[in-house]
Amino acid sequence: DQQVKQNSPSLSVQEGRISILNCDYTNSMFDYFLWYKKYPAEGPTFLISISSIKDKNEDGRFTVFLNKSAKHLSLHIVPSQPGDSAVYFCAGRIQGAQKLVFGQGTRLTINP
Amino acid sequence: DTAVSQTPKYLVTQMGNDKSIKCEQNLGHDTMYWYKQDSKKFLKIMFSYNNKELIINETVPNRFSPKSPDKAHLNLHINSLELGDSAVYFCASSQGSGRGSYNEQFFGPGTRLTVL
Repeated sequence: DQQVKQNSPSLSVQEGRISILNCDYTNSMFDYFLWYKKYPAEGPTFLISISSIKDKNEDGRFTVFLNKSAKHLSLHIVPSQPGDSAVYFCAGRIQGAQKLVFGQGTRLTINP
Repeated sequence: DTAVSQTPKYLVTQMGNDKSIKCEQNLGHDTMYWYKQDSKKFLKIMFSYNNKELIINETVPNRFSPKSPDKAHLNLHINSLELGDSAVYFCASSQGSGRGSYNEQFFGPGTRLTVL
């Protein structure tokens, strides 16, 4: 029962262009959605979050969009930089708890 | 000055053995977690402790037992290791009970467990 799905296992983008990573969810009990970034041999690091009552949150080059009716969120990175190459995990937080449910990740490669 | 540290980084062992993974955080957080990343790359929560008290216990076999001697440490003991236990195990910590705005979880570097 995959409550959070990232259907693209990998994505390749040219440096300077926009990267769009997608995530779908099924659980209506998520009150926050998060994006984490992971480099090889390291733990995931928090990138950006969005409350379920918002539809957009922006932090520098990173913007997360939430479409509740479609149960879909996306992470936009613009402009993409080589250091953005990593695996990106989408996650939902169960309302009232610190329990996170993660997707399986999307490997982003930024090409020079 | 690592925020969340885990030892060992790699662990190779035989089926049937008992092993432990240690986790320590120096962030002053009151909540700690263990996650398992399996071969399909999903990160799944196993346990969570708040102020040394177990608050999340997912459907994990009894062979797995977390132990929190204090707020800064959460160790994972695994008895009678099986092939399917091979995975990367991540420890994490955060501040707060989960109500209100999201409190970032800080992850350790992971422990790659291989059971032969």
